[in-house]
Amino acid sequence: DQQVKQNSPSLSVQEGRISILNCDYTNSMFDYFLWYKKYPAEGPTFLISISSIKDKNEDGRFTVFLNKSAKHLSLHIVPSQPGDSAVYFCAASYMQYGNKLVFGAGTILRVKS
Amino acid sequence: GAGVSQSPSNKVTEKGKDVELRCDPISGHTALYWYRQSLGQGLEFLIYFQGNSAPDKSGLPSDRFSAERTGGSVSTLTIQRTQQEDSAVYLCASSPGGPSYEQYFGPGTRLTVT
Repeated sequence: DQQVKQNSPSLSVQEGRISILNCDYTNSMFDYFLWYKKYPAEGPTFLISISSIKDKNEDGRFTVFLNKSAKHLSLHIVPSQPGDSAVYFCAASYMQYGNKLVFGAGTILRVKS
Repeated sequence: GAGVSQSPSNKVTEKGKDVELRCDPISGHTALYWYRQSLGQGLEFLIYFQGNSAPDKSGLPSDRFSAERTGGSVSTLTIQRTQQEDSAVYLCASSPGGPSYEQYFGPGTRLTVT
């Protein structure tokens, strides 16, 4: 049972345009959500997070939106740059789960110049 | 400062052999996690160490898998009698502990069982 789902395996976007990566979850206990970015042969690196008490968090070109009623979150990258090309993982957790993260399968983002 | 390091970076082993994977967390981080990523899949939680507490082993897929953390720092993940389905990238992460969910990952060990 996949508790965190990233239904788009890949996404291709033109440089300068917006990239929107989506993530759905099923466990209503989740209260913290994170996005990680992964380059080939490297470990995932933390990008941005959001607590369930918020519906938006912004950090530079990256914004995460949370829709709790729909159990959906999205990562917006504006403007997209070629260096953003990577695999993006959505992850979720809740305090009683001991800070362990449940990851989605990832979305490959390609930003074309 | 130094990040999380893992060794070896690649390991090829024959089915039935035992393997040990090592993780050096960020100095001062009290929490340490092991995950694995099989081809085309997300990261799958394996085991979690927090300070001196008993580890959370709820993600270990079988009793062939074990892990220890010595002196609250370095951790070793051991897989006994490896099987082909154990082939994956094994990732270690550490975090400062406490309420923070942000984890810092190492580069991983790619394990191939032939």
